[in-house]
Amino acid sequence: QVQLIESGGGVVQPGRSLRLSCAASGFAFSSYPMYWVRQAPGKGLQWLAIISHDGSNTHHADSVKGRFSISRDNSRNMMYLQMNSLRAEDTAVYYCTTLATSGYWGQGTLVAVSS
Amino acid sequence: DIQLTQSPSTLSVSVGDRVTITCRASQRISTWLAWYQQKPGKAPTLLIYKASSLESGVPSRFSGSGYGTEFTLTISSLQPDDFATYYCQQYNTYSYSFGQGTKLEIK
Repeated sequence: QVQLIESGGGVVQPGRSLRLSCAASGFAFSSYPMYWVRQAPGKGLQWLAIISHDGSNTHHADSVKGRFSISRDNSRNMMYLQMNSLRAEDTAVYYCTTLATSGYWGQGTLVAVSS
Repeated sequence: DIQLTQSPSTLSVSVGDRVTITCRASQRISTWLAWYQQKPGKAPTLLIYKASSLESGVPSRFSGSGYGTEFTLTISSLQPDDFATYYCQQYNTYSYSFGQGTKLEIK
């Protein structure tokens, strides 16, 4: 069955970096554009980044542009989100997803930015 | 960037009610709109894509409509499992914005 499993979250101090990973299985990962979406505690959903199926194109939300970077490795069915210069407002559950392409979502990984 | 405004933000409803949620886009997005359901502590699930296409496995009491800037999600007869928060999301441009959500509460 389809699985998206995020990992790499945790507690991190402001200004530090963290890399999230998303492991995909059960579908043709290399054929799908992939996305990162986050949800701050008690808040709504926020799109962060998209990467094309082959990794040749990426786009990031203005709120994270220059600090976050999406990438993928189709040989390993993996996607990544490199997060630098983390701020308290980056505290959220981070999801990897195919969004409306097919509706696949991971269970999310919690990132807490706190001193 | 395209802004999506959902209304209402909260809706008090009863089992069996017909429910309509509206999503308005700040620019025309054709039919590039999806609807998701989210329950507390869980990832969202896709209900509707391309404004009116029902995702496989989603009950037929859910339907979507709209074009351009105004869209609706309708639940024809609310079931106990439908109490959740619903989000619209546009994918017309490289902003993929979400609406702020509509929470269905028990009346």
